[in-house]
Amino acid sequence: DIQLTQFPSSLSASVGDTVTITCRASQSISTYFNWYRQKPGKAPELLIYAASSLQTGVPSRFDGSGSGTDFTLTISNLQPEDFATYYCQQSYSTPVTFGGGTKVEI
Amino acid sequence: QVQLQESGPGLVKPSETLSLICTVSGDSITNYYWSWIRQPPGKGLEWIGYVYSSGGSKYNPSLKSRVTMSVDTSKSQFSLKLSSVTAADSAVYYCARSRYCTSATCSHMDVWGKGTTVTVSS
Repeated sequence: DIQLTQFPSSLSASVGDTVTITCRASQSISTYFNWYRQKPGKAPELLIYAASSLQTGVPSRFDGSGSGTDFTLTISNLQPEDFATYYCQQSYSTPVTFGGGTKVEI
Repeated sequence: QVQLQESGPGLVKPSETLSLICTVSGDSITNYYWSWIRQPPGKGLEWIGYVYSSGGSKYNPSLKSRVTMSVDTSKSQFSLKLSSVTAADSAVYYCARSRYCTSATCSHMDVWGKGTTVTVSS
């Protein structure tokens, strides 16, 4: 299985800040890589697919980059609804796997 | 727009079979791939497997011996059965849609259900 290591596991930020979350894959996965946001008590929602493509309806303050083994999610101008847990996911091979999550707190 | 809704018992006894259904509304169930993902309390996400509208499927090897997925296109539903459950199977179970999968991979999941909590306890 492909392992995804996310860091940091948590971070503190304020409204208006810019934060960056990193995910490293245990082997090269090209750009078969996605990011999700999970608000407390809610289902995950797709933010970024294919490493850098913004899902329809997702604000442009979310930006994904990377390829191979290293990927980043940058959130600019952090909004109250962005205080949530973020998960990376690889879609290069089955079983599909997720990172351990990054909790963005106030 | 397309919506997914999970349903099933919230409490299952140890050693019994967990059975869940996901109902698709707002779009056709055909030509998409349908996954189940679970999340134990306070933990991360685990992909259980997918089923295609024609009935093909692929499961996570860690659960493969206990998992069965199927599709009922006439009802726009797909289902998950997980046998011989233990407390470790207690989780929120989500259904989700992918636009394509192969035997080796599955694309991003762009639509998710709200999730249903299943507790395994006697």
